Amino acid sequence: SYELTQPLSVSVALGQTARITCGRINIGYKNVHWYQQKPGQAPVVVIYRDRYRPSGIPERFSGSNSGNTATLTISWAQAGDEADYYCQVWDSSTVVFGGGTKLTVL
Amino acid sequence: EVQLVESGGGLVQPGGSLRLSCTVSGFTFSNYAMNWVRQAPGKGLEWVSVISGSGNITYYEESVKGRFSISRDNSKNTLHLQMNGLRADDTAVYYCAMGSSLFGYFDPWGQGTLVTVSS
Repeated sequence: SYELTQPLSVSVALGQTARITCGRINIGYKNVHWYQQKPGQAPVVVIYRDRYRPSGIPERFSGSNSGNTATLTISWAQAGDEADYYCQVWDSSTVVFGGGTKLTVL
Repeated sequence: EVQLVESGGGLVQPGGSLRLSCTVSGFTFSNYAMNWVRQAPGKGLEWVSVISGSGNITYYEESVKGRFSISRDNSKNTLHLQMNGLRADDTAVYYCAMGSSLFGYFDPWGQGTLVTVSS
């Protein structure tokens, strides 16, 4: 089955840059979308189609996708960025989510 | 403003049935694919099903095939998920989410409705 590998947790100091990866062989050929989910809330898309930001999402959020790894980058990390982050792709007419990464801002 | 509101969750016994609904407003419902995504307590996101804007194309996650059925009523701006043969591992918060396209990203999402399968 198609699986996406994310680190369980990532920690970043306040104001520094966090990078969350999503791995799978040849994921670079897929459109990767990223979601942020805060406790008790529904997910929100923060990056779609590898690198596009929806309106309302700060420019601090960016994405890239090449080879075997897609990456969500959060620059100038803020306390409010603490959340779970999920990557997502479509494969054979079904959706695959990564296992999720808990981002902690220290 | 686009809004999605789920309803129909609750406690059901194993083997039972439940019908979830998602009522939407703020956009032309029939123009968009719609999805159900679930999240078991303390776990990650799991996609369940998608339906095209016209309702003639549907896809399902493997574990729900033959048990769950997605449908929509475009005249009432409502999405449904009929769940039969429920099992304990179906316990989750169920979210409806608008698809940017049939195989696109999900935006926005509803607030979710909790389904608990237990005796």
